Amino acid sequence: AQSVTQLGSHVSVSEGALVLLRCNYSSSVPPYLFWYVQYPNQGLQLLLKYTSAATLVKGINGFEAEFKKSETSFHLTKPSAHMSDAAEYFCAVSDQGRDDKIIFGKGTRLHILP
Amino acid sequence: EPEVTQTPSHQVTQMGQEVILRCVPISNHLYFYWYRQILGQKVEFLVSFYNNEISEKSEIFDDQFSVERPDGSNFTLKIRSTKLEDSAMYFCASSHGLARAYEQYFGPGTRLTVT
Repeated sequence: AQSVTQLGSHVSVSEGALVLLRCNYSSSVPPYLFWYVQYPNQGLQLLLKYTSAATLVKGINGFEAEFKKSETSFHLTKPSAHMSDAAEYFCAVSDQGRDDKIIFGKGTRLHILP
Repeated sequence: EPEVTQTPSHQVTQMGQEVILRCVPISNHLYFYWYRQILGQKVEFLVSFYNNEISEKSEIFDDQFSVERPDGSNFTLKIRSTKLEDSAMYFCASSHGLARAYEQYFGPGTRLTVT
């Protein structure tokens, strides 16, 4: 069965500092991996996705993630945090099936300190 | 940019009542999904729907739940007799399904409160 584990339910970084949100996955087949962001009282917005092409994936708002098969990881990074990045971030995995469900991690709430 | 819409944004109902949550997926999408997020917990898959039938459902999606695509645009989730533990945010999603990168687009959610 597929799963994702997000390390740290809350992460605080100072404005301008590096953002690193950790995600490890478990999948019996080559996975599709996603990062979604949820701003307060809003739905889920796709930040970026890995679909077996380039291992370094660039997303919106300056975020990127690197797929490391040897470490079964897909950590999310951003070089310089902005106050507007404060939100809940979800790592997710799905099989490569056409209509496969997405399995979400528990989420990491990112706090930005002024 | 096309988006998934959901109505209502917030629904309050009494235990034992039936509720219908409505979604309008993106118009050329072929796959439809419902997920839920209990407050403070992770987003969980409920059901996927394709070609007018359920493709897959989770163990959460018991006989109290049903889905329907009554016309060419709406996709509904019905809970027949709500329980307190059904209180959650319910997200609808849709995907095009014809490309390898099956990106699911999520709606803003309906917050269901069962009292």
